[in-house]
Amino acid sequence: AQSVAQPEDQVNVAEGNPLTVKCTYSVSGNPYLFWYVQYPNRGLQFLLKYITGDNLVKGSYGFEAEFNKSQTSFHLKKPSALVSDSALYFCAVRAPGGSARQLTFGSGTQLTVLP
Amino acid sequence: DVKVTQSSRYLVKRTGEKVFLECVQDMDHENMFWYRQDPGLGLRLIYFSYDVKMKEKGDIPEGYSVSREKKERFSLILESASTNQTSMYLCASVRTAGEYNEQFFGPGTRLTVL
Repeated sequence: AQSVAQPEDQVNVAEGNPLTVKCTYSVSGNPYLFWYVQYPNRGLQFLLKYITGDNLVKGSYGFEAEFNKSQTSFHLKKPSALVSDSALYFCAVRAPGGSARQLTFGSGTQLTVLP
Repeated sequence: DVKVTQSSRYLVKRTGEKVFLECVQDMDHENMFWYRQDPGLGLRLIYFSYDVKMKEKGDIPEGYSVSREKKERFSLILESASTNQTSMYLCASVRTAGEYNEQFFGPGTRLTVL
């Protein structure tokens, strides 16, 4: 069975500092990995995904994520945090060959950027 | 611009009531999903539909049913609402079963069952 772990429920960072939101996964075969963001009282918005190729993936709003196969991780990063980045972030994984329903989400990490 | 809409943002119902949550997408997507979101548990799949009138149970289908009579519309039904179904409900869609396609989400319905 596949799974996703987001080990931190809450991450606080000062505005202008780099931020990292951690994600590790467990899946058979090569994973497809996704990051979504949820602003208060909103649905989830897609940020970026890793399918294959370059391990560093760039996405929306200046975010990027690094796929590390040996550590089974896909951490979300941003060089300089903004107060407007404060939101709930979800990592998700899907194994190749499965049906569309087989997307597994992590429990979410609340990011707070302090002014 | 792609769009997934949900019929209500907030809903308050009483125990035992029948509840309908509606979701509409305008992207001609084949696949649609219903999730519930609870703090600390992330998103859990309730039901999935891969075509009109076709459905599959997700991880937590108990107490729920679904209907997909038209491609653009996917309804979640709580036959007899209970307090443990108080939650945020999210609808999503994706074009094909391609594994690398990202899902598009609606704004969510926050349901409170009293």
